[in-house]
Amino acid sequence: KQEVTQIPAALSVPEGENLVLNCSFTDSAIYNLQWFRQDPGKGLTSLLLIQSSQREQTSGRLNASLDKSSGRSTLYIAASQPGDSATYLCAVPYSNTGNQFYFGTGTSLTVIP
Amino acid sequence: ETGVTQTPRHLVMGMTNKKSLKCEQHLGHNAMYWYKQSAKKPLELMFVYSLEERVENNSVPSRFSPECPNSSHLFLHLHTLQPEDSALYLCASSQDLWSTGELFFGEGSRLTVL
Repeated sequence: KQEVTQIPAALSVPEGENLVLNCSFTDSAIYNLQWFRQDPGKGLTSLLLIQSSQREQTSGRLNASLDKSSGRSTLYIAASQPGDSATYLCAVPYSNTGNQFYFGTGTSLTVIP
Repeated sequence: ETGVTQTPRHLVMGMTNKKSLKCEQHLGHNAMYWYKQSAKKPLELMFVYSLEERVENNSVPSRFSPECPNSSHLFLHLHTLQPEDSALYLCASSQDLWSTGELFFGEGSRLTVL
């Protein structure tokens, strides 16, 4: 069974800092990896989807990298803003399926104005 | 209306009640999912439907009963629940089961079992 771990569990940074969130997974045979954002009491919003053939994906101030061989992904957030405060989750598919995901427990980010 | 819509957003029920959660997607997707999110635990995949057929049941107790009458609607029928079933129940959809596309989530239904 795939296990997904996210470190740190919580992170608090001053506004403007660049930061890195980490995700590790135990089974490297994955089709893709997805990063999500969840605001308190709300559903999940997809941020970035990295296919297994890609090494990184960028959207605005967000950059996600994928190293399948080491079972790791990082989400880099540049110039953090208070509006970035949320829980960030990574997810990897069950092996041999496309869209059934294992999720990590998330990193709770607080950006202090 | 676009995206994935879940109702009700909040539900409080006793252990002997019967209630249902509803999910509707307006994205033209063929696959729909129920996830359970409990405090301090990863999201747990409960059920998967593809083209209205259930393709996955991850050892979910029978007190949870899913229904998918068409590709746009998904229900989760609840009966004789336990307090430990209190959680945020999230519905999601994707274009289909096998493509490596994005997963779209609803806002969730917060369930409290007394």
